[in-house]
Parts: sequence; structure tokens; C-alpha cells
Amino acid sequence: LAKTTQPISMDSYEGQEVNITCSHNNIATNDYITWYQQFPSQGPRFIIQGYKTKVTNEVASLFIPADRKSSTLSLPRVSLSDTAVYYCLVGATGFQKLVFGTGTRLLVSP
Amino acid sequence: NAGVTQTPKFQVLKTGQSMTLQCAQDMNHNSMYWYRQDPGMGLRLIYYSASEGTTDKGEVPNGYNVSRLNKREFSLRLESAAPSQTSVYFCASSEGLAPPNYEQYFGPGTRLTVT
Repeated sequence: LAKTTQPISMDSYEGQEVNITCSHNNIATNDYITWYQQFPSQGPRFIIQGYKTKVTNEVASLFIPADRKSSTLSLPRVSLSDTAVYYCLVGATGFQKLVFGTGTRLLVSP
Repeated sequence: NAGVTQTPKFQVLKTGQSMTLQCAQDMNHNSMYWYRQDPGMGLRLIYYSASEGTTDKGEVPNGYNVSRLNKREFSLRLESAAPSQTSVYFCASSEGLAPPNYEQYFGPGTRLTVT
């Protein structure tokens, strides 16, 4: 079971770039890295998924170094609406391996 | 296309009462899941169904039962509610269990209080 470690909380200001790093030292060869976002009183929402190097979509970028023991979610130019909890998950086949953890609480201020 | 729907949105039970939480998805997904989320905590998997006709235990299955009624619907039953089951319950679905098709889509949640 690939355990992940994230900062409990982060603070930022509108317009800044935010980078949230997740450690997953015992990631397995077949594991993918997935990030979810959760707003208060809502279910989580998929943000991005990757296996290695860099993945970018319209919302975020995911940077994964060659050893894959960590990953960084990058949110460009955050706004107040990006205030949420961000979860890093690591897993592969056999869904029961996916564990959400407590996530990183991001607070964006004006 | 409503995605994942859950009923009810709120429920208050007395200890020992039973109830069923309903979940339906209209995305033709194969896999469905039930999670609980306690205040300030991450989500914990209760049960999941890899495909129609199969169910398996997750991290915290005790005190719950599930039924995968058909491909669309996956219900969660509390036979004898306990205060420790006070939580927000989320249902989710995904196309499959394995990457890259295991992106999960979540419902709005059911807030359950057991007194």
C-alpha cells in the first residue's frame, strides 16, 4: 500500500502560483498518481493524473521526478475559488489500494 | 446527464434504527463506491463494486451492507445505526478500477446523524 504524505495546510494569495508536494516513497512500478479537489460540503473532484514526467491540463500541472518518490501539483494564478482540500492518491490495479488521506487544506486570500 | 445522484441529502436516525442510502449514476460506469467522511478527515472506503454483480469490502465495512442492484444503482444499508456512524456518506463511480480509467465521479453526499 503506497502511503502518501502531504502538508496539512497551505496559504496563498490571489494570482500566485501554488505548488503542493506529495511524498510517496514506496510507490510501486504500476502505480499512478492522482489528485482530487474537494470543496466544503461537496464530493471530491478529479483534477489530474500522471505516471511520470509532466502532465498538464486546463486546470493544473503535475510534475513527477524520475524516481517517482514524490509529485507536485501546480496551480497557476490561484483565485479565491481554489480554496479547497487537495488529495494526493497513489495506486494501480486493485482499487482497495487507493487511500485518500487527510489532504492539504489550501486557503487563498485576497 | 445528472452524473451521480444520492438520496436522501440529510437523515437523522436514532440508535438501532435501520436505513438505506441510495446511489445512482447515469454515465454507464462499471465500478461504484461508498465512502464515509468524518469531520476534518479524509475519505474512507466502506465498500466498492468493481462491476455489476460483485461487491467487496473496503477499509471500514463493519456495520454496513451493500447491494449492486444493477449497473446504475448501488445502495448502502445500515442495519442497526450507531452514533459512530454519524458522518457524511459519498457515493462515487468510475469507468473501471485500473488506471487510467479509474477517475471517480462523486455524488453530493448524504449527511447522516445518529443520536
